[in-house]
Amino acid sequence: DGGITQSPKYLFRKEGQNVTLSCEQNLNHDAMYWYRQDPGQGLRLIYYSQIVNDFQKGDIAEGYSVSREKKESFPLTVTSAQKNPTAFYLCASSIAPGTGSYNEQFFGPGTRLTVL
Amino acid sequence: KNQVEQSPQSLIILEGKNCTLQCNYTVSPFSNLRWYKQDTGRGPVSLTIMTFSENTKSNGRYTATLDADTKQSSLHITASQLSDSASYICVVRGGDIPTFGRGTSLIVHP
Repeated sequence: DGGITQSPKYLFRKEGQNVTLSCEQNLNHDAMYWYRQDPGQGLRLIYYSQIVNDFQKGDIAEGYSVSREKKESFPLTVTSAQKNPTAFYLCASSIAPGTGSYNEQFFGPGTRLTVL
Repeated sequence: KNQVEQSPQSLIILEGKNCTLQCNYTVSPFSNLRWYKQDTGRGPVSLTIMTFSENTKSNGRYTATLDADTKQSSLHITASQLSDSASYICVVRGGDIPTFGRGTSLIVHP
């Protein structure tokens, strides 16, 4: 059953704690992305990775960190430096840009993070 | 700066009625434009995609249009159903990273 999964679906964190959101895909996609979604706002790019062991900052990378040690996995850590982390986080994957098929991004089900 | 503007921000219609959502963009260069549907608390799912040479694309009751000259797109929903209640997001890809609109929130009432 191919797809992209995120866990957990809901996550609660105390202020000052780091927390890691999981994202796994078995679509054999090279590129993976993390977005943040707030009410009334569009998706904002946090980090993206086009190849294993390489990643780039998006528009709102401050207070977040990522790793890409495996093609299938792209975990996101929300650090205590992120001032307003409560949001809905979406992970996506696609084939490598420039390789055709219109580069559709396939999204996971999302993780809702709430800071208490 | 690449931008995608969607209107209206929200829309309420009665079941069975038609509606049209708008998307204007200033993304350059242009590769393709995609409409996504996002149910509450879920990830977006692609409805249609159009390239520069395409000006209309249908997917069931959803029909998207593209005017590459004026940089406008629309998504028309025919005979709306309760399950159409969702956010509809216009996404334009130029380079490696797509640009997202803020979405139109559609509520279909019985």
